Amino acid sequence: EAQVTQNPRYLITVTGKKLTVTCSQNMNHEYMSWYRQDPGLGLRQIYYSMNVEVTDKGDVPEGYKVSRKEKRNFPLILESPSPNQTSLYFCASSHKGGGPHTEAFFGQGTRLTVV
Amino acid sequence: DAKTTQPPSMDCAEGRAANLPCNHSTISGNEYVYWYRQIHSQGPQYIIHGLKNNETNEMASLIITEDRKSSTLILPHATLRDTAVYYCIVRARTGANSKLTFGKGITLSVRP
Repeated sequence: EAQVTQNPRYLITVTGKKLTVTCSQNMNHEYMSWYRQDPGLGLRQIYYSMNVEVTDKGDVPEGYKVSRKEKRNFPLILESPSPNQTSLYFCASSHKGGGPHTEAFFGQGTRLTVV
Repeated sequence: DAKTTQPPSMDCAEGRAANLPCNHSTISGNEYVYWYRQIHSQGPQYIIHGLKNNETNEMASLIITEDRKSSTLILPHATLRDTAVYYCIVRARTGANSKLTFGKGITLSVRP
């Protein structure tokens, strides 16, 4: 089954404690990205990756890091989480480009609380 | 990417067709219209997309006006499980970042 898998689904952590949210896809997609969703602000892109070893900033990259060492995995790293990073996070993947057959598949989300 | 405008909410009766409108008056020739939906706080789900012709799949139909400045997503027989936020997004055919720019979407409530 084609899917994007995020882990963990829920996480409560303390300020400053490094954490990683994993994302894996089984569709051989080149393009992967991370979004955060906050009430009243909608979904905003954090980082994206066009292919292995190619990553770039989205709209709200501050406080986050990513890596793309393998095509299927795209972890989101918070080196020193702060309470303003409390949010619902989604990973997405698709074939690259914006034309046909490039529908994005989203993970089920990770609800992160930083206290 | 061109912006879209959707009404904030609408409702329809279960079993009836739900017609969700979207305005994208500044859409350019190389931009597709995509529809996604988000049920409660789950990950957004792709529904359908099109360039200028009407499209239909097992989930919905997409009707795009001839001038491409607006479109309508049609759920032919809405069920309670179709209650969700529906996002209309325009996105370039090519480009380095296949970013989806989500607006506020339209909240569809299907009533029994």
